Amino acid sequence: QVQLVESGGGVVQPGRSLRLSCAASGFTFSSYGMHWVRQAPGKGLEWVAVISYDGSNKYYADSVKGRFTISRDNSKNTLYLQMNSLRAEDTAVYYCAKVRLLLPNDAFDIWGQGTMVTVSS
Amino acid sequence: EIVLTQSPGTLSLSPGERATLSCRASQSVSSSYLAWYQQKPGQAPRLLIYGASSRATGIPDRFSGSGSGTDFTLTISRLEPEDFAVYYCQQYGSSRITFGQGTRLEIK
Repeated sequence: QVQLVESGGGVVQPGRSLRLSCAASGFTFSSYGMHWVRQAPGKGLEWVAVISYDGSNKYYADSVKGRFTISRDNSKNTLYLQMNSLRAEDTAVYYCAKVRLLLPNDAFDIWGQGTMVTVSS
Repeated sequence: EIVLTQSPGTLSLSPGERATLSCRASQSVSSSYLAWYQQKPGQAPRLLIYGASSRATGIPDRFSGSGSGTDFTLTISRLEPEDFAVYYCQQYGSSRITFGQGTRLEIK
């Protein structure tokens, strides 16, 4: 079945780096734009970044621009989020999500289970 | 950036009642690129409505969405026990996607 599985979360000190992965299965990964969304403990959803199906277009939330990099390896059916210069306010559950159809703009129909990132000294 | 404001923050209702959730955008949402998600504790969000009024696959018909421009509504016609959760609206019409702050639907 269609599935997204995140990994790579953990506890990291402020200023350090972490790379999250999202393994996709059950659909043609290389055909769909993909997003990262995060949720701080007890808070709402915050969109983080998007990458087009072929990796040619990327957009970021202002809160992470210049520090986070979204990428993908279509040969491995995997989405990544490289997070540098981490701050306490980056502490959150990070979800990857697939767009519903083969369109530049669409809702997110499949979400992973999330991976927790805690930034703390 | 389009700011989405959801109201009310918390809605207390009983099973069988009708729920009406509002989402107001700071500027017009292009092509009604507005979605609604349901999130239960410890779970990922689930897509309910896309394109402001189209139900996602497998979503019961007691869920309906309406609206255009800057004002959107999610209606649950007759609440079931499993409907008590947090609901988020999302606009995906711009390159910088935004979510509302959420409405918590709780059992009265």
